[in-house]
Amino acid sequence: GEDVEQSLFLSVREGDSSVINCTYTDSSSTYLYWYKQEPGAGLQLLTYIFSNMDMKQDQRLTVLLNKKDKHLSLRIADTQTGDSAIYFCAESIRHSGSSNTGKLIFGQGTTLQVKP
Amino acid sequence: DGGITQSPKYLFRKEGQNVTLSCEQNLNHDAMYWYRQDPGQGLRLIYYSQIVNDFQKGDIAEGYSVSREKKESFPLTVTSAQKNPTAFYLCASSIGRQLGNEKLFFGSGTQLSVL
Repeated sequence: GEDVEQSLFLSVREGDSSVINCTYTDSSSTYLYWYKQEPGAGLQLLTYIFSNMDMKQDQRLTVLLNKKDKHLSLRIADTQTGDSAIYFCAESIRHSGSSNTGKLIFGQGTTLQVKP
Repeated sequence: DGGITQSPKYLFRKEGQNVTLSCEQNLNHDAMYWYRQDPGQGLRLIYYSQIVNDFQKGDIAEGYSVSREKKESFPLTVTSAQKNPTAFYLCASSIGRQLGNEKLFFGSGTQLSVL
């Protein structure tokens, strides 16, 4: 089946690390993405990881992928108030009936609240 | 600057009325998409188009219609058949829909409300 699950809310203090978790169900996922949405705005691609990788680091962001458990996490180091937003995890799966067309399945989004 | 422009930012619909949401991109992307966002839910795909003059239904197409007469433009009409249209609508584009090439660029959204 196609399902991506995230916890709905996370609150941290400024300067702490934030870890946002995501689980997915489709074992054929190829790419997994993290998007950020600020209030009243569209989504912005933060980072992505290919399914044959375990980890990807990009400045303050670290993505960990446990393919066996179908678990993806996004760690934000030294969280700032400007990181307050909704974070969406998304998996890329093969579109039914096509060998080379992808389809994105989004989680519900995790609201990150950063307290000063 | 390249990007995706959605208009209007806020839109109000009266009972029985059709309304059209605009989406324009100058990224030269082939694929365009419309998503609906409800509070506490993930994005749900309404329609997508991989090429001019062609489009496909997504997961929740009922009550909506689209057209793709130009590469740059992908307007969405919310018809009177859509009984619960209040939501935040997001337009997106990508270079293509090839597997692994689905990095989406989003517009800033249109909030549609029913009067």
